Formats: sequence, C-alpha cells, structure tokens
Amino acid sequence: DQQVKQNSPSLSVQEGRISILNCDYTNSMFDYFLWYKKYPAEGPTFLISISSIKDKNEDGRFTVFLNKSAKHLSLHIVPSQPGDSAVYFCASILYNQGGKLIFGQGTELSVKP
Amino acid sequence: NAGVTQTPKFRVLKTGQSMTLLCAQDMNHEYMYWYRQDPGMGLRLIHYSVGEGTTAKGEVPDGYNVSRLKKQNFLLGLESAAPSQTSVYFCASNGNGPYNEQFFGPGTRLTVL
Repeated sequence: DQQVKQNSPSLSVQEGRISILNCDYTNSMFDYFLWYKKYPAEGPTFLISISSIKDKNEDGRFTVFLNKSAKHLSLHIVPSQPGDSAVYFCASILYNQGGKLIFGQGTELSVKP
Repeated sequence: NAGVTQTPKFRVLKTGQSMTLLCAQDMNHEYMYWYRQDPGMGLRLIHYSVGEGTTAKGEVPDGYNVSRLKKQNFLLGLESAAPSQTSVYFCASNGNGPYNEQFFGPGTRLTVL
C-alpha cells in the first residue's frame, strides 16, 4: 500500500519556465515532508522540507506547498534550469518512528534548453 | 569529511551466496538507515538504527540482517541471496533528530543471478 504517491513518472519543462512536481499522501499522521533530488549513479540529496504546521516553505528558486485537507504537496521550481534535470522524490516522516522516511515513486524532471 | 560512504559500489552474486554491504559515516550521526531502490517503487526502508547497538525493521526487512556494533558503521547482510534482491542499495545517516535531513551514500548496485 503506497502511502506516498507521485503519480507523474516524468515531466518535461522548457528552461526558464515553472516546474511543478506533485505528491499525494494517505496517512494524516504524517507531520513532516521532504523533497530529495537524485542524479543518476548518485545518492539522493536533500532539497527542501516543510512541517505540517506550515503551508509554504521557500528556499531560493524552490518552494514547497502543503495542502493538508487535500493531503497534497507540491514542489515549484522557478525558473527551471537544465541543471535541475533529475529525479525528484517526496518523502514523509511519522513522528516518533526513528526518522523513517516513506518515499514516493519519484518524478523524473527534464528541463530543456 | 567523506560523509557517507558505501562499500562495494557494484557486486554480482549467484543465488544462495552471501555478502555484507558496509556503510560508514564520519559525521558522528546517531541514526542510520538502509534503503533499496527499485524501478517505479521509490526508496523503501529495509532496516534502521537509532544508535550504536540498536537496530529495527523497516518496510522490507525479509532476507536481510543488520548490525551496528560501532556508531560510525552500519552493516547490511544477505545470508542467501535471491534474484528478488537485485536492486540499488542506499545507506543514509541523520544526526540531529528524526526531523532533519538524511545524508545518503552513493549506492551499491547489486545483481543476483
């Protein structure tokens, strides 16, 4: 049973435009959410996070939005750059579970020049 | 700092063989994790540890064992490898509590024939 879902396996965007990556979750007890970025043949690297008490967190070109009533979060990248081409994973944490991350399936973003 | 390192980077096993994957971190982190990544599945937690001498099961623990005899090392063992264990294995560590980012190693690509 997939508790964190990324329903778009891939996304293609033109350089300079906005990239929007979506993530849905089923467990209302999740209280912290993270986005990781992964290049081929490398481990995932942390990108941005958001606590369930917030609805938005911004870091430079990256903004994460959380809609708790819809159990939905999204990552916005503005403006998109070719170096942003990677696989993006959203992940959730359950409180008091040793920091276990539950990952979505990932979305492969391709930013074309 | 080397961060999180994994040994080996690649390995091919025959069904029934055993092996141990080594994860080492030099950040004095308390929490360590082993994940596997399979196509279309995201990363799934195998086992994790919240401190030296402790281990706990994750989502997909069957067929694997782990040990955390030293704080800086987390070993993942396959006693009798099966083709279903063909995957990319990632180790991660986290030092500041469960709500902080996990740092990932570069991965080990394992093929079981």
